[in-house]
Amino acid sequence: TQLLEQSPQFLSIQEGENLTVYCNSSSVFSSLQWYRQEPGEGPVLLVTVVTGGEVKKLKRLTFQFGDARKDSSLHITAAQPGDTGLYLCAGVYDSWGKLQFGAGTQVVVTP
Amino acid sequence: KAGVTQTPRYLIKTRGQQVTLSCSPISGHRSVSWYQQTPGQGLQFLFEYFSETQRNKGNFPGRFSGRQFSNSRSEMNVSTLELGDSALYLCASSSGQTWGSGANVLTFGAGSRLTVL
Repeated sequence: TQLLEQSPQFLSIQEGENLTVYCNSSSVFSSLQWYRQEPGEGPVLLVTVVTGGEVKKLKRLTFQFGDARKDSSLHITAAQPGDTGLYLCAGVYDSWGKLQFGAGTQVVVTP
Repeated sequence: KAGVTQTPRYLIKTRGQQVTLSCSPISGHRSVSWYQQTPGQGLQFLFEYFSETQRNKGNFPGRFSGRQFSNSRSEMNVSTLELGDSALYLCASSSGQTWGSGANVLTFGAGSRLTVL
């Protein structure tokens, strides 16, 4: 069974600071997605990356997919309290396979 | 359009009982996946149904089962409940396309929180 490792497990920062969350695997992803989950809700998709080296931006969030498609990162610029949540990476190793989730990074942004 | 609806939202059971959870997917979605979420293990994949057939299965014991109906609604059942089955059970629907296209997107429901006493 392939494993997705996310780091760090927990991040607490002040409003206005930057942060980066990492997602790594020993195997090559077919595609990778990032989700954010807030208390009492299910995860909500932020982005899907498919091509090695791909960079996608969503307002203050920047997502990178490693050239070898084994790792990804999420960078938040000038974090705001509304960015607080559990950030989950999820990868698929074959086209029709199951989506496997990392353990998540809990991000807390205080005013 | 309406999102993914899961019922019930909360339930309490005792060890040895069984439970059935329901999931109504987004209209037009043919794939329904189930996940178990716990603080210690994170989101663990249970199974995926596509057009009434189980397409993928996770590493859970046979006490966990599911099915999908012709209208794409899905149910999962857990028999002989154990304390460790206490978790948030999440259902997600999607079009069921290949992941490599980048077009397959999971839309999650709010979950059913099961507490086993």
